[in-house]
Amino acid sequence: QKEVEQNSGPLSVPEGAIASLNCTYSDRGSQSFFWYRQYSGKSPELIMSIYSNGDKEDGRFTAQLNKASQYVSLLIRDSQPSDSATYLCAVGGYQKVTFGTGTKLQVIP
Amino acid sequence: DTGVSQNPRHKITKRGQNVTFRCDPISEHNRLYWYRQTLGQGPEFLTYFQNEAQLEKSRLLSDRFSAERPKGSFSTLEIQRTEQGDSAMYLCASSAQGYAFFGQGTRLTVV
Repeated sequence: QKEVEQNSGPLSVPEGAIASLNCTYSDRGSQSFFWYRQYSGKSPELIMSIYSNGDKEDGRFTAQLNKASQYVSLLIRDSQPSDSATYLCAVGGYQKVTFGTGTKLQVIP
Repeated sequence: DTGVSQNPRHKITKRGQNVTFRCDPISEHNRLYWYRQTLGQGPEFLTYFQNEAQLEKSRLLSDRFSAERPKGSFSTLEIQRTEQGDSAMYLCASSAQGYAFFGQGTRLTVV
């Protein structure tokens, strides 16, 4: 079992729709959870972090964490073509941060 | 620019040669990570420093790879006797605690 699992996609949504990205992790001791966005040929950039169960909203982005289910999600409201990228889920333990393989999102104009 | 800086941005080398990459983290960050990323994959953890101490090294990392962080500041990643399978983007990231900030990466091509 991979430490951090994501569906590789591509996930295609029409412009203006809600995109839902999901991630599961295996280490119950994980303490911190991140979503990064990576455009092709570029390095990952942090878009959301979440540390406790529940929802965290930042603009069009909402991160959701359920530690009991070992599940993290990212919702993107009013999706724009500029949101088209690969979204990486990352999970932090006491020391290192482990990444999933990423979900490719395509927002169709 | 106060972000994470990596040099060089691109490196083409012949198989069997040694290469060294440098990472300058954000100055107040005590944690430094090296990752490797190939096309279509997420970043793969290579090694991690807290200050000058190398606290963890991936089991996937062969003994051809070595990393240092003298004085807890910049870090170098050396690959000896490069192989074509080493071709990838090598990413450096730093953090104080919590989330990591990435550099622009060094793209290595072994021919």
